[in-house]
Amino acid sequence: SQTIHQWPATLVQPVGSPLSLECTVEGTSNPNLYWYRQAAGRGLQLLFYSVGIGQISSEVPQNLSASRPQDRQFILSSKKLLLSDSGFYLCAWSIRDPETQYFGPGTRLLVL
Amino acid sequence: LAKTTQPISMDSYEGQEVNITCSHNNIATNDYITWYQQFPSQGPRFIIQGYKTKVTNEVASLFIPADRKSSTLSLPRVSLSDTAVYYCLVGDVSRSSASKIIFGSGTRLSIRP
Repeated sequence: SQTIHQWPATLVQPVGSPLSLECTVEGTSNPNLYWYRQAAGRGLQLLFYSVGIGQISSEVPQNLSASRPQDRQFILSSKKLLLSDSGFYLCAWSIRDPETQYFGPGTRLLVL
Repeated sequence: LAKTTQPISMDSYEGQEVNITCSHNNIATNDYITWYQQFPSQGPRFIIQGYKTKVTNEVASLFIPADRKSSTLSLPRVSLSDTAVYYCLVGDVSRSSASKIIFGSGTRLSIRP
């Protein structure tokens, strides 16, 4: 069966520090991968998605970036965090169609 | 992608059947309807997907009328553990773009003892 991992689970970072969140998927090949951010009490905002290694599409201009160095690895990064980057970051994968996504446990980021 | 409208919140009691309706007036011919469930501090979980009439699985049922302009997620005999946010999405599963996937604010369902 397929599983998706995210780490760390929680993270507290000072403003201006770098960020690296990692997501890996097991048990499937060539998945579509997604990064979302969710503010408290709000819906999910799609940040990036990838249909293959090295292929990244960005949905929202921001100081975040994403990379896909391996088929089942998706990384979310920032060189300098802003207070507004705080939130719940979710990674997801899909195979059959974008409407059927499977989400990871998420990373709660607090920027102080 | 068809826009969807859901109630912001709903309350019910344990053992009751809960029906959450989603409106999607401009649904296209090839669009499917997908529902997700999200618990606090967790990622959304796929519940059910359908195109027309009725779909049932071990978790829920999805009712879609003939005009497909709305859909109803039915949760039988809810328990406290069904307290969550429920999202309705509409899109063409055969060729939709990930960029068109929109998770709105969903419906916050609260179950009381």
